Amino acid sequence: AQKITQTQPGMFVQEKEAVTLDCTYDTSDPSYGLFWYKQPSSGEMIFLIYQGSYDQQNATEGRYSLNFQKARKSANLVISASQLGDSAMYFCAMRDTGGYQKVTFGTGTKLQVIP
Amino acid sequence: DGGITQSPKYLFRKEGQNVTLSCEQNLNHDAMYWYRQDPGQGLRLIYYSQIVNDFQKGDIAEGYSVSREKKESFPLTVTSAQKNPTAFYLCASSRGRGNEQFFGPGTRLTVL
Repeated sequence: AQKITQTQPGMFVQEKEAVTLDCTYDTSDPSYGLFWYKQPSSGEMIFLIYQGSYDQQNATEGRYSLNFQKARKSANLVISASQLGDSAMYFCAMRDTGGYQKVTFGTGTKLQVIP
Repeated sequence: DGGITQSPKYLFRKEGQNVTLSCEQNLNHDAMYWYRQDPGQGLRLIYYSQIVNDFQKGDIAEGYSVSREKKESFPLTVTSAQKNPTAFYLCASSRGRGNEQFFGPGTRLTVL
């Protein structure tokens, strides 16, 4: 069974600074995908970034980058130049390679950006 | 604009009543999903459907039912058999297996 662990229930970051949100995972599948989603207070889940297990390079999308360390089974999200609008819950998720490629979510990290 | 709509945004029901949550998408996605989110928790999968007229149970399907008669629609019924239905319900869709999921705005269900 696959598992996603986010050990930081809450984080604070100063505006314009960079912040790293931790995510570790556990799976026995050689092929899998890792996602990060943002959930503002409105509740909607917003897709941020994706990393495939066979991707050679770390994924980047604008101010978001994924620090993928396969041997350590970690997929940390790095947000550069934090903005007040980045304050939200952030969820790490993993897709397995089973019949319908189920997605398992972590418990989330609440990020608060301080002016 | 393409997207996923869920209605209503807030829903109240009396204990013992069935209630149906709507989910519609115009993204032409094949796969659709229903998740439940409790305070301080991640998302847990209730049901999913990869194609019209087919759906599968997720991790917490007991007390819920779904239908997929049209590609665009995937309604979720919370039955009286669901012991603790008060939660935030999110619907999602994707082009197919392995692709990122796009989410609707959610429905907050409260049982009185």
